Amino acid sequence: AQSVTQPDIHITVSEGASLELRCNYSYGATPYLFWYVQSPGQGLQLLLKYFSGDTLVQGIKGFEAEFKRSQSSFNLRKPSVHWSDAAEYFCAVGNNRLGKLIFGQGTELSVKP
Amino acid sequence: EAQVTQNPRYLITVTGKKLTVTCSQNMNHEYMSWYRQDPGLGLRQIYYSMNVEVTDKGDVPEGYKVSRKEKRNFPLILESPSPNQTSLYFCASSLSPDSMFMNTEAFFGQGTRLTVV
Repeated sequence: AQSVTQPDIHITVSEGASLELRCNYSYGATPYLFWYVQSPGQGLQLLLKYFSGDTLVQGIKGFEAEFKRSQSSFNLRKPSVHWSDAAEYFCAVGNNRLGKLIFGQGTELSVKP
Repeated sequence: EAQVTQNPRYLITVTGKKLTVTCSQNMNHEYMSWYRQDPGLGLRQIYYSMNVEVTDKGDVPEGYKVSRKEKRNFPLILESPSPNQTSLYFCASSLSPDSMFMNTEAFFGQGTRLTVV
């Protein structure tokens, strides 16, 4: 069965520090992978996605993610976190036949001044 | 502006009182779906629709109904709401199931926070 695990429910980082949010997936074929961000009271915004090709994917707002097939991981990174990055982050794997996104549990990011 | 619009944004209701959450998109998308978001569980798909008059169950369809009489609208119906349906609901649309994973993305509504007491 397809599944996504985000091991960290809540992470706190200092402003300016680097960030890495972990995501592990289970999927039988080549995965379509996504990271979404949800700011308080807002809907979901797509940060980046991976379909094929270069395993290091650049997204919006200075985020990047690296696909590692051997580890079944798609971790999200940012070199320097800004206070406005405080939000909940969701990793998802896609079932393109059904058009369904399977989401992880989410990681809430807090940013300390 | 391309968007998915959900109404209402917030709703408090009582057990058993039928309600409808509307979802409308202005992008001529074929594919629409509903998700519910619960703490610690992420988002789970309730129902989806590949096109007009074509709907199917997602992972957590119990207690919900949907209809797709026209391309732009995909309402979520709770015939007899119960407290375990208290959740944050999102509607999403994309050009087609495949397109979500190719050149375009899924567009999400702002969410509807439903409380059933």
